[in-house]
Amino acid sequence: NAGVMQNPRHLVRRRGQEARLRCSPMKGHSHVYWYRQLPEEGLKFMVYLQKENIIDESGMPKERFSAEFPKEGPSILRIQQVVRGDSAAYFCASSPGDADTQYFGPGTRLTVL
Amino acid sequence: GENVEQHPSTLSVQEGDSAVIKCTYSDSASNYFPWYKQELGKGPQLIIDIRSNVGEKKDQRIAVTLNKTAKHFSLHITETQPEDSAVYFCAAAHQAGTALIFGKGTTLSVSS
Repeated sequence: NAGVMQNPRHLVRRRGQEARLRCSPMKGHSHVYWYRQLPEEGLKFMVYLQKENIIDESGMPKERFSAEFPKEGPSILRIQQVVRGDSAAYFCASSPGDADTQYFGPGTRLTVL
Repeated sequence: GENVEQHPSTLSVQEGDSAVIKCTYSDSASNYFPWYKQELGKGPQLIIDIRSNVGEKKDQRIAVTLNKTAKHFSLHITETQPEDSAVYFCAAAHQAGTALIFGKGTTLSVSS
């Protein structure tokens, strides 16, 4: 059973460009979570989604960031007009239900030049 | 909102010794406390978790204790091995499956 998959693993963008990060949950999991990890820091919750629904976006910056989890396909975290402060590792986690353990993917490391 | 404090930030032990990492949380509504291990360049891996209806849980060399009154929980690793070297994160949530609030991590180094 494949784990949580994220791609790309590394992404380099110039300031002002858009970044799209993809997350495929584990088979049978319908809940997806996005976290951001700055260097030397712990993980910060961003957003929690189920298929076609945003359940909790209390950790998402109000501007430039959006997330979706469509009926078909992976979850997408989109960052518009990236700035240097967006450089971080972005982790996706998935769980089978809303009261279950979260399993993390390997992360996407975003570098903004 | 919830705040999780984790200590120490770094911990060095000799192989075979025990290691203890402590966390405190602020939100009395938190009921789920997982611990994750993160190796360099990888995603966090769950090693053990505990829910508020129990005070202690063990899995081989790893144990977690929870004191809900004092709002603190601890990770205990016995008979440490070099492969235990990693960054360990504690977290708290109202329940499993909701937003995890993480501590800042403890870098554990086990020397042989």
